[in-house]
Amino acid sequence: KAGVTQTPRYLIKTRGQQVTLSCSPISGHRSVSWYQQTPGQGLQFLFEYFSETQRNKGNFPGRFSGRQFSNSRSEMNVSTLELGDSALYLCASSDGPGQGQTQYFGPGTRLLVL
Amino acid sequence: AQSVTQLGSHVSVSEGALVLLRCNYSSSVPPYLFWYVQYPNQGLQLLLKYTTGATLVKGINGFEAEFKKSETSFHLTKPSAHMSDAAEYFCAVSPANTGTASKLTFGTGTRLQVTL
Repeated sequence: KAGVTQTPRYLIKTRGQQVTLSCSPISGHRSVSWYQQTPGQGLQFLFEYFSETQRNKGNFPGRFSGRQFSNSRSEMNVSTLELGDSALYLCASSDGPGQGQTQYFGPGTRLLVL
Repeated sequence: AQSVTQLGSHVSVSEGALVLLRCNYSSSVPPYLFWYVQYPNQGLQLLLKYTTGATLVKGINGFEAEFKKSETSFHLTKPSAHMSDAAEYFCAVSPANTGTASKLTFGTGTRLQVTL
């Protein structure tokens, strides 16, 4: 099976712009989670989607949003970009949202905000 | 709230030596526990996980970890380090008593250096 794919892999934006990142889960996986990785804050949970519904959300401002489509693909959007949004954004998929489910990660999208 | 502590942000071992990466968790109920590895410019790869049952868990690439409830620990070990093991390692927990939540809480990571 193909792994989790994320597009684009690299992105450069300027402050105030918005950005959309895409994630395609492993075939058959219905749950998608997003994480932000920065040198200062480490790996932090953004949100989790299952069956097109957000099931869990991390402690991020409303500028960060996401959605999931009927084919389980997911997108996350960051509006009004700030310098501190520069990070590696990781998407992970799993069979479902159940306890202890293994999450399989994609290669990430590296966002640089200038 | 659950948390994970990884002791030692950097660990250096000689090739062939024992690898020991430490992880302690804080939770009122034993959570599900994971170890992931991250190579430069890549995502996270699952090494192993503990859910229930046998407390000694074997993973890929010769790694294993032991769940010790009394010590709230889940340390990662490998008997003999290889140069290809150089990477960053993350311990993570997932709650075990919150319905269907599967959010991972990560430790700060340990960078493993392997020297000749």
